[in-house]
Amino acid sequence: DVKVTQSSRYLVKRTGEKVFLECVQDMDHENMFWYRQDPGLGLRLIYFSYDVKMKEKGDIPEGYSVSREKKERFSLILESASTNQTSMYLCASRPRQGLVEQYFGPGTRLTVT
Amino acid sequence: RKEVEQDPGPFNVPEGATVAFNCTYSNSASQSFFWYRQDCRKEPKLLMSVYSSGNEDGRFTAQLNRASQYISLLIRDSKLSDSATYLCVVNPGYALNFGKGTSLLVTP
Repeated sequence: DVKVTQSSRYLVKRTGEKVFLECVQDMDHENMFWYRQDPGLGLRLIYFSYDVKMKEKGDIPEGYSVSREKKERFSLILESASTNQTSMYLCASRPRQGLVEQYFGPGTRLTVT
Repeated sequence: RKEVEQDPGPFNVPEGATVAFNCTYSNSASQSFFWYRQDCRKEPKLLMSVYSSGNEDGRFTAQLNRASQYISLLIRDSKLSDSATYLCVVNPGYALNFGKGTSLLVTP
């Protein structure tokens, strides 16, 4: 079974803190993704990576950065957390090619106070 | 501009009913299409892929109309356990584009 794990299920941080969200997948997938999900707005892509050290901006990259130093790990960084970054963050991975499923992690519910 | 549009619902139906969800997409270069299911406070999971010829998986039938850029999902004989949000998903390239989802509540 494919497994995508995220470092925390719930996280509470203060405004201005630097926040790291970690994602690990165990299926040797090339593509990894970070989304945030908010009521009424659906899933929005923040960043994705199609290979080690490669990254591409998604639809809402502002206020975020990412790191992919190893194939299995994709980190999302909030350089200076703000209250409008309170959200559910979902990581996902998928093989490079084909009509294939994208697997999601369980999500991290981040609250910034 | 929203690339994948869905009726948000909610759709409230009795057990045993047939319900249909529709979805339109704007990128004509999209190559693959999916329906995902998301239960409350859970991550999205693949329900089924959608093929040009249409495909069926038990009580679920998915259809694709490339000319109209339209995707549908039909659920027959609804069960209480079908209550969830159904996400229409389109793949124009590396990253999947998700609709906002259609909420379904099946009642006894």
